[in-house]
Amino acid sequence: GENVEQHPSTLSVQEGDSAVIKCTYSDSASNYFPWYKQELGKGPQLIIDIRSNVGEKKDQRIAVTLNKTAKHFSLHITETQPEDSAVYFCAASLGNNNDMRFGAGTRLTVKP
Amino acid sequence: DVKVTQSSRYLVKRTGEKVFLECVQDMDHENMFWYRQDPGLGLRLIYFSYDVKMKEKGDIPEGYSVSREKKERFSLILESASTNQTSMYLCASSLSGGYTFGSGTRLTVV
Repeated sequence: GENVEQHPSTLSVQEGDSAVIKCTYSDSASNYFPWYKQELGKGPQLIIDIRSNVGEKKDQRIAVTLNKTAKHFSLHITETQPEDSAVYFCAASLGNNNDMRFGAGTRLTVKP
Repeated sequence: DVKVTQSSRYLVKRTGEKVFLECVQDMDHENMFWYRQDPGLGLRLIYFSYDVKMKEKGDIPEGYSVSREKKERFSLILESASTNQTSMYLCASSLSGGYTFGSGTRLTVV
């Protein structure tokens, strides 16, 4: 089955700096790659996703890139703010929606 | 706003008890999922269901069962709770694409 690895496990940045989180996946048939943000005491929330027919997607300060050949994808957060502090999870799916597998998570801390 | 509701935020149960974790969604989603979340291990899929009365095992189904009698409700059952089932349990639902998660149930088995 699919195996997703996520790095780093913790990341600390200064407010205003950029943060990058990287994931690799094992199943070349995977074609849907969402990212989730989990704040303290809450369930994960979808923040951005990308499908295998595109290489990059942006939404304001957040962007995701996908390299299908290398089987890796990354989350980029620019101009970080303290409210970006949370645990971020990447995931990969074959697209039939019943098989999503998650990375182990990255705890991002943005220091004011 | 779409919603996935888990009935309990915190539960403390004794070893050997039968435990029910309830999850309800109001989005008419076909697919529902149960994950457990442990530090350093991320989210691991226990069971999922893509239709009423249908269920499929995920990656770690041992010690768990599920019930889906109605489309909106998906229950996770711990037949005989053990201390290694102490964890955060997350329910999710989806139609296609991204999942909507509940807020989680933190279960402690003593």
